[in-house]
Amino acid sequence: GENVEQHPSTLSVQEGDSAVIKCTYSDSASNYFPWYKQELGKRPQLIIDIRSNVGEKKDQRIAVTLNKTAKHFSLHITETQPEDSAVYFCAAPGRKYSGGGADGLTFGKGTHLIIQP
Amino acid sequence: EAQVTQNPRYLITVTGKKLTVTCSQNMNHEYMSWYRQDPGLGLRQIYYSMNVEVTDKGDVPEGYKVSRKEKRNFPLILESPSPNQTSLYFCASSSTRLDTQYFGPGTRLTVL
Repeated sequence: GENVEQHPSTLSVQEGDSAVIKCTYSDSASNYFPWYKQELGKRPQLIIDIRSNVGEKKDQRIAVTLNKTAKHFSLHITETQPEDSAVYFCAAPGRKYSGGGADGLTFGKGTHLIIQP
Repeated sequence: EAQVTQNPRYLITVTGKKLTVTCSQNMNHEYMSWYRQDPGLGLRQIYYSMNVEVTDKGDVPEGYKVSRKEKRNFPLILESPSPNQTSLYFCASSSTRLDTQYFGPGTRLTVL
């Protein structure tokens, strides 16, 4: 199945600076890459996603880039604010068996983003 | 209001006592999943369902069962819970597996 590696596990940045979180995946057939944000004590919520037919997608201060050749995708947050403090998860779908049918989503282990005032 | 609900939200039980965590969505979604969340391990998929009567194992299915008799409901069953199943459980639903997943509020389970 799919293997998703996420780095770093913890990221501390000064308020106003940028933050970048990177994920790598193993299944070259994966074609959908979402990012979820989970605030303390809350449920995960989608913040942005990208499909394999584009290389970059932006939504205000957040952006996601995809490099299918290298099999990695990254979340970029600019002008960080205190409300950006949370755990961020990347995910990718994959095939359960090589050449087989659809599989579920595999999530990275998460990045705890800390915004320092 | 479009939502995913789970019950109970908190449960403390003992080893071997069968339990069911219910999950229900009102968005007519075909795809539903169960995840467990443990510190340092992120979200791991237990089971998923592509549609009514279609379920399949995720990454960590051992010790769990699911059923999908109706489109809106996807209960998670622990036939004989063990302490290593102590975790935070999330149910999620989406139109397809490649769309936004909407998560329920979570169920915190403790097995003594």
